Amino acid sequence: DTAVSQTPKYLVTQMGNDKSIKCEQNLGHDTMYWYKQDSKKFLKIMFSYNNKELIINETVPNRFSPKSPDKAHLNLHINSLELGDSAVYFCASSPGHGGSPLHFGNGTRLTVT
Amino acid sequence: GENVEQHPSTLSVQEGDSAVIKCTYSDSASNYFPWYKQELGKGPQLIIDIRSNVGEKKDQRIAVTLNKTAKHFSLHITETQPEDSAVYFCAAYYNNNDMRFGAGTRLTVKP
Repeated sequence: DTAVSQTPKYLVTQMGNDKSIKCEQNLGHDTMYWYKQDSKKFLKIMFSYNNKELIINETVPNRFSPKSPDKAHLNLHINSLELGDSAVYFCASSPGHGGSPLHFGNGTRLTVT
Repeated sequence: GENVEQHPSTLSVQEGDSAVIKCTYSDSASNYFPWYKQELGKGPQLIIDIRSNVGEKKDQRIAVTLNKTAKHFSLHITETQPEDSAVYFCAAYYNNNDMRFGAGTRLTVKP
């Protein structure tokens, strides 16, 4: 049973296209995240949702739009993809109280050509 | 906001030796400090964590120390094995579900 699952695992697309990445967690956690990992392995927080409510929205281009239909799902839609969007995107979840560990998915490697 | 710095960026040790990775954080309000191990093609996995009311925690070959006054914390791996080779990340929980990560350390354990 995968705790945090992301689809697709790989995504190759051309500049200007629109794409979505889906994430689901079966841990019953209240908080979900999107992180971006660049080629140097740096993990940067993008968004955080708590019970479907947006908590953190870092300085991310508004081409990136997260959507949380329920607290077990947090999807990421990206419009007008650019070369610089190429990275690995990680979804994570946590119980969301007072500092608790994040559980990560295995990532979606996005390549924009 | 919180800023986490991690050193070294790469670390190579001989099997059986110890490895130490150090992190500093900027915000004294941070109260939870996890460490993650990331293997190739996978997401980061929690290996050990420490809260701000504790100075040291150990789990078999892995230990973490925290110095709140100096705002730094360290990961210690003893008797390293080739399977310890991975990228290690420290992190600091700031507030309101905000977890910030260090830049990562690529550890290589040579047999």
